[in-house]
Amino acid sequence: GQQLNQSPQSMFIQEGEDVSMNCTSSSIFNTWLWYKQDPGEGPVLLIALYKAGELTSNGRLTAQFGITRKDSFLNISASIPSDVGIYFCAGRLYNQGGKLIFGQGTELSVKP
Amino acid sequence: DAGVIQSPRHEVTEMGQEVTLRCKPISGHDYLFWYRQTMMRGLELLIYFNNNVPIDDSGMPEDRFSAKMPNASFSTLKIQPSEPRDSAVYFCASSRTSSGETQYFGPGTRLLVL
Repeated sequence: GQQLNQSPQSMFIQEGEDVSMNCTSSSIFNTWLWYKQDPGEGPVLLIALYKAGELTSNGRLTAQFGITRKDSFLNISASIPSDVGIYFCAGRLYNQGGKLIFGQGTELSVKP
Repeated sequence: DAGVIQSPRHEVTEMGQEVTLRCKPISGHDYLFWYRQTMMRGLELLIYFNNNVPIDDSGMPEDRFSAKMPNASFSTLKIQPSEPRDSAVYFCASSRTSSGETQYFGPGTRLLVL
């Protein structure tokens, strides 16, 4: 089936550092979403992207929809301890209705 | 507004027993999704509904799994009989009418089959 390759799988950073993670696919997506999951909770939407080239920010988070429609990245600036969690990208293929495909997740650890 | 509501939050059962997971989507959302999350396989879509009708059940592992949505505010995912390999976190999510809308997840049900 369709897969999203998300990298890196995990990151250990110092508080205050910037973080970057990305997702790539061999297929073209018409929507890219970024979620964060805290331990014991469901994924929570961070940013949604609907157009190729779109760059969207949400506070310290910035995400972009790749020009080729096959990739997306998420940047977190000036990380803080509460940024800890697992970040997932998700994409929606054309003609797939409401179905999303999720990346494997990036586990972020922030050292105070 | 209340978010997606799932029950129970935790379930421990013995192999062979029937398990029923419940979900109440956000009011006004016409799409409902059931996912399973494991360390090995990540987040997998099991089935989704549009206006209470199952649209894609290709992710349902096998005949032991079944899902229903009798009305716009309630859905169940049933496993009968349950097996240890079914142990996972099961999430329900919902979204509005347009297929371009984002999905909002419930808190999940943590299932352990002994």
